Amino acid sequence: GNSVTQMEGPVTLSEEAFLTINCTYTATGYPSLFWYVQYPGEGLQLLLKATKADDKGSNKGFEATYRKETTSFHLEKGSVQVSDSAVYFCALRGGGSQGNLIFGKGTKLSVKP
Amino acid sequence: GAVVSQHPSWVICKSGTSVKIECRSLDFQATTMFWYRQFPKQSLMLMATSNEGSKATYEQGVEKDKFLINHASLTLSTLTVTSAHPEDSSFYICSGLAGGANEQFFGPGTRLTVL
Repeated sequence: GNSVTQMEGPVTLSEEAFLTINCTYTATGYPSLFWYVQYPGEGLQLLLKATKADDKGSNKGFEATYRKETTSFHLEKGSVQVSDSAVYFCALRGGGSQGNLIFGKGTKLSVKP
Repeated sequence: GAVVSQHPSWVICKSGTSVKIECRSLDFQATTMFWYRQFPKQSLMLMATSNEGSKATYEQGVEKDKFLINHASLTLSTLTVTSAHPEDSSFYICSGLAGGANEQFFGPGTRLTVL
């Protein structure tokens, strides 16, 4: 079945450091891939997505590229800020636009000033 | 994005009692709502999918008689954990999906602790 594996946290970085959170997936067919972010006390928010191979999703300085050859969708940001501290979830959806989301375990990021 | 609220945000109850969790879409009509549970350091696991006015569809291994889901209106779904036991302690998260849309909007979650 479909599954998502993402690096375990917590990840602690200094402000302006480079961020990578690894995510790999197992899926049949051609899933859509997502990164969600959950700030303290809030619900999950869609951060970015990619719907086909080689697509790059980007938002708020974060980027992730859908790599079918390596079944990966790693999240990157060149210079993190304290306000980026949150839990990040990688997810996939197969089976059409209203298929179920399958989530990774989440990676907690803490950015220190 | 659209806003989904959950109430309560946390609840502590005694074993054997029932607990109701509400999920509301505040500024859109959610024709479909999803309920997830999340154990510490684990993924969000889909429990059930409900469409307004219809019976919920439960995922394999989820007891429908224990986790009662009602989706009586386009802005409200409820999850009732009946005869709760300590192993039901978890973080429950709902999300809403507007008809024809492809993005789910998530609530902030409800922490349930059963003593």
